[in-house]
Amino acid sequence: DGGITQSPKYLFRKEGQNVTLSCEQNLNHDAMYWYRQDPGQGLRLIYYSQIVNDFQKGDIAEGYSVSREKKESFPLTVTSAQKNPTAFYLCASSSQGAGEQFFGPGTRLTVL
Amino acid sequence: SQQGEEDPQALSIQEGENATMNCSYKTSINNLQWYRQNSGRGLVHLILIRSNEREKHSGRLRVTLDTSKKSSSLLITASRAADTASYFCATAPYGGAQKLVFGQGTRLTINP
Repeated sequence: DGGITQSPKYLFRKEGQNVTLSCEQNLNHDAMYWYRQDPGQGLRLIYYSQIVNDFQKGDIAEGYSVSREKKESFPLTVTSAQKNPTAFYLCASSSQGAGEQFFGPGTRLTVL
Repeated sequence: SQQGEEDPQALSIQEGENATMNCSYKTSINNLQWYRQNSGRGLVHLILIRSNEREKHSGRLRVTLDTSKKSSSLLITASRAADTASYFCATAPYGGAQKLVFGQGTRLTINP
């Protein structure tokens, strides 16, 4: 059963805490992406990775960090430096960077 | 950076009617893609049209691309209640990094 999974579905964070969002894919895709979506808005690119052990900043990378140690996994850490982290976070993968992207179900992060 | 701009921001029609959404962008592209998002879920890819194509069909979907006007339209024919969702266009910039740039989306409501 191929696909892309994200966990947890809901996440609550206290101010000043770092949290890590998980993203796993078994589609054998080289490229993976993290997006942030605010209510009623489009997607904004946080980080992306086109190959293992390499990643690039997107449009809103400040306050976030990622790693790409395995092809299947692309975790996102929301650090305490991110001033307004409450949002819906979406992970995606694709076999080629400019092609169709497959999305996970998302993680809704709320800062208490 | 948000390249795509969808129009209208919201659209409400009766079941059975056709729905048309438009997308404008600013720079040259390799391709343009349309995605659907049901509330609180991940995005689902609908259709990809390359820069050298003018029209593409998939079931009840028809997409047009006018590169001279830097615009695209998505037509959903014979709409159904299940088509209620947000629709996003995404562009793959020509010569740029292997990533997509998403618009703000059109919220489509199909009334029974």
